[in-house]
Amino acid sequence: EVQLVESGGGLVQPGGSLRLSCAASGFTVSNSYMRWHRQAPGKGLEWVSAIYSGGTTYYTDSVKGRFTISRDNSKNTLYLQMNSLRAEDTAVYYCARDQSGSGYYYSDYWGQGTLVTVSS
Amino acid sequence: DIQMTQSPSSLSASVGDRVTITCRASQSISSYLNWYQQKPGKAPKLLIYAASSLQSGVPSRFSGSGSGTDFTLTISSLQPEDFAIYYCQQTYSTPLFGPGTKVDIK
Repeated sequence: EVQLVESGGGLVQPGGSLRLSCAASGFTVSNSYMRWHRQAPGKGLEWVSAIYSGGTTYYTDSVKGRFTISRDNSKNTLYLQMNSLRAEDTAVYYCARDQSGSGYYYSDYWGQGTLVTVSS
Repeated sequence: DIQMTQSPSSLSASVGDRVTITCRASQSISSYLNWYQQKPGKAPKLLIYAASSLQSGVPSRFSGSGSGTDFTLTISSLQPEDFAIYYCQQTYSTPLFGPGTKVDIK
């Protein structure tokens, strides 16, 4: 059974750092397309970052240079290192596995989410 | 950049109603369109991918159609567990979700 379990969220001051983890089971992270999405309180969904099986990484413009996506193949875990955090980064962060076929991508499994609050 | 809109932003319906939600892209995205359902406090759930393909395990009362710029999610007979927010998502370029459509009880 595929499972994704996020951890690492919490309260952090503006300018601070946090590292989110997403422990996967039931599939191999290094063979998969993985994404982080987020949802600000009461708002819609926003894609944040992705890492493809070959290791190529992608970021939405608002987090480029501040966030880093990575994975630990030995732990089958996805990470999101978040630096220089801003109030507007406050959100529930979800990791997700992407499936792909014929060029189509879709997040078929999601974790339960972890809340990041950036506030002084 | 591609913009996504959804209509209506919210609707009230009764159990058994046929419900249609529209998603529009600002330029053609072929069939690179997914639909998700989200209930309060829960992660989104994939319903439809590639505009019209039903995700495994999703009830057949859900269907998707469209290509290019205009897409539709239809629930043929609304069930109590279907009251939720529905998001479309384009993956033709940088992934972008629509603003969502809230379906609640009339």
